[in-house]
Amino acid sequence: GESVGLHLPTLSVQEGDNSIINCAYSNSASDYFIWYKQESGKGPQFIIDIRSNMDKRQGQRVTVLLNKTVKHLSLQIAATQPGDSAVYFCAENSGNTGKLIFGQGTTLQVKP
Amino acid sequence: GAGVSQSPSNKVTEKGKDVELRCDPISGHTALYWYRQSLGQGLEFLIYFQGNSAPDKSGLPSDRFSAERTGGSVSTLTIQRTQQEDSAVYLCASSRRSYEQYFGPGTRLTVT
Repeated sequence: GESVGLHLPTLSVQEGDNSIINCAYSNSASDYFIWYKQESGKGPQFIIDIRSNMDKRQGQRVTVLLNKTVKHLSLQIAATQPGDSAVYFCAENSGNTGKLIFGQGTTLQVKP
Repeated sequence: GAGVSQSPSNKVTEKGKDVELRCDPISGHTALYWYRQSLGQGLEFLIYFQGNSAPDKSGLPSDRFSAERTGGSVSTLTIQRTQQEDSAVYLCASSRRSYEQYFGPGTRLTVT
């Protein structure tokens, strides 16, 4: 069945360092992937997305990498800041169904 | 502009009672989604509305759950005869297309 998972439930990094959050997915038909950031008590906030015809996409301080061969997705955050502390979810969508399948989330803790 | 809004923000109800959760999507967004998030977990898809098409109800966990969207805008998620396992945060999202979904703050439902 479909599943999206993250490798580590918690990631702790030093302020200023780069963070890499990983995600594995199982549905090879998925053609769209998205990363969300969720702070405590709030709804998920869109960070960045990527379509399956790309392998890399950059935003402001964030980069998403997609490796379709091994069905792996990663989110890189440059110069991590305390405000980046949150739970990060990857999600996939296949066939424009509108239904996002979410992973369990990785908690990013930024140490000052 | 205004984002997705949900009401109430918190709802405590007794087991067996019915509850209604409301979602006001972003103006102009034709697609609306409901998800459920249990404590410390990822988001679980419930239902998806796209324009005037029949909704995708494939994620509703039981026939106690239903949702409607009136006039292509506001949506109400109804849970009948609530059970303790229904306790969760219910999140609504809307999008202009099927991909970039923007989430509301959620309604935290507690069934006692």
